[in-house]
Formats: sequence, structure tokens, C-alpha cells
Amino acid sequence: GAVVSQHPSRVICKSGTSVKIECRSLDFQATTMFWYRQFPKQSLMLMATSNEGSKATYEQGVEKDKFLINHASLTLSTLTVTSAHPEDSSFYICSVPDRVNSNQPQHFGDGTRLSIL
Amino acid sequence: EDKVVQSPLSLVVHEGDTVTLNCSYEVTNFRSLLWYKQEKKAPTFLFMLTSSGIEKKSGRLSSILDKKELSSILNITATQTGDSAIYLCAQGGFTSGTYKYIFGTGTRLKVLA
Repeated sequence: GAVVSQHPSRVICKSGTSVKIECRSLDFQATTMFWYRQFPKQSLMLMATSNEGSKATYEQGVEKDKFLINHASLTLSTLTVTSAHPEDSSFYICSVPDRVNSNQPQHFGDGTRLSIL
Repeated sequence: EDKVVQSPLSLVVHEGDTVTLNCSYEVTNFRSLLWYKQEKKAPTFLFMLTSSGIEKKSGRLSSILDKKELSSILNITATQTGDSAIYLCAQGGFTSGTYKYIFGTGTRLKVLA
């Protein structure tokens, strides 16, 4: 079964709306989670590393105030796209690293396809 | 800045062909090189490579790491239409004090019947 649950799977909303995406680790506690963004026909780009109980670590060029990350528990991280605009339309996907299982170094959620009109 | 580059960017072959996908990395704190297959949603894990020169194999897919050349290849033999996907490699390691995975540019493979 799924190890990581990500919701919602699809969001279509108007420009200016804030959108929250949840990423839940179902099978084990996750002190760290990753948030990626993938534009059409491009690769996954790491946006930020979410750290339980502390501030997220953002990659260069990713706006902290635009993409709010909260990791308040060992099983849940949320990404909020604030005041979303059409250029924020993308596929957002989270993952939970697994340092123990060499057969599956990170478990991905199913992703969220965000479309801003 | 760490960079993971894949080639070719896209490839069209016919069923039964053999393909070789390339991944090169330029990282200072390398720990592992991962290969994934992505169809519609989340990437599917294929291989993790940490040691140079040791081939990993799964069915028609195989992969090997060359730490001297800072590169890895993914081979697919006797390709099938179901192999059509984006193939991603990712470097795992510590960057700026955080262990994370940096993905390559991806190779879009299309296998024609």
C-alpha cells in the first residue's frame, strides 16, 4: 500500500487564491520531507526540505513567502502556495526519505497537479 | 552549483531496440546515484548505485556507475512500448549541510510498436 499520501491530487482555482497541499507519511515517522515542482516536459526540481519542528530549508531561487511550508508533526508536512498565479501552475510532489531501505531511498506521494486560471 | 545532466533529452526507438541513457553529475559530496522511471505521476524507483563498476540488473534494465567519470548509464534491452516514459537520474548526498536528492534533466523515451 501507499507509504506517502498526498492531497489533493488536482486543484483548479482562480488567480490570487492560496492553495494548501498536504503530504502524510503513513508508515513511519518523517523528520524530513522534500517538496518538488515539475513543469511540463521538465525534470523534478527540489523546492525545499521540510524539517519537523523547525524552519524549512529552501533551494536557491524559491520564494519562502510564496511557498509556505509547515512540518508540525512527524507525519505531516504542508505546502501552501500563497496568492497563486498562472505561472505557479505545475505538478507538485512530495517525498519522504527512507534512510533504512536501500531498495526505496525515498517514497513519493502521487503528486498534486495545480492549475491556476 | 551542483548539476545533474542527462542525455539524450529525448529518444525515439522501435520495439526490440536497445537503448543507453546517460547521466553525469558534478557534485562534491556524492553518496548515491538513483535512477527512476516516471510515467504519469510519481517516479518509480529503479536502481540505487553507490559503488563504481558494479552493475545492477533488473530484468531488461541494468545500470552502472563510474565514479571516475562522474557518470552512470542505464541500459534497456529489447525495449517494449511499456518502456515509454521519462527516465530520471538523481544524485543523493549532502549539499549545504542537508542530505537531499538533485534530479537530472530527464530523458524522454518513446518506444514505437
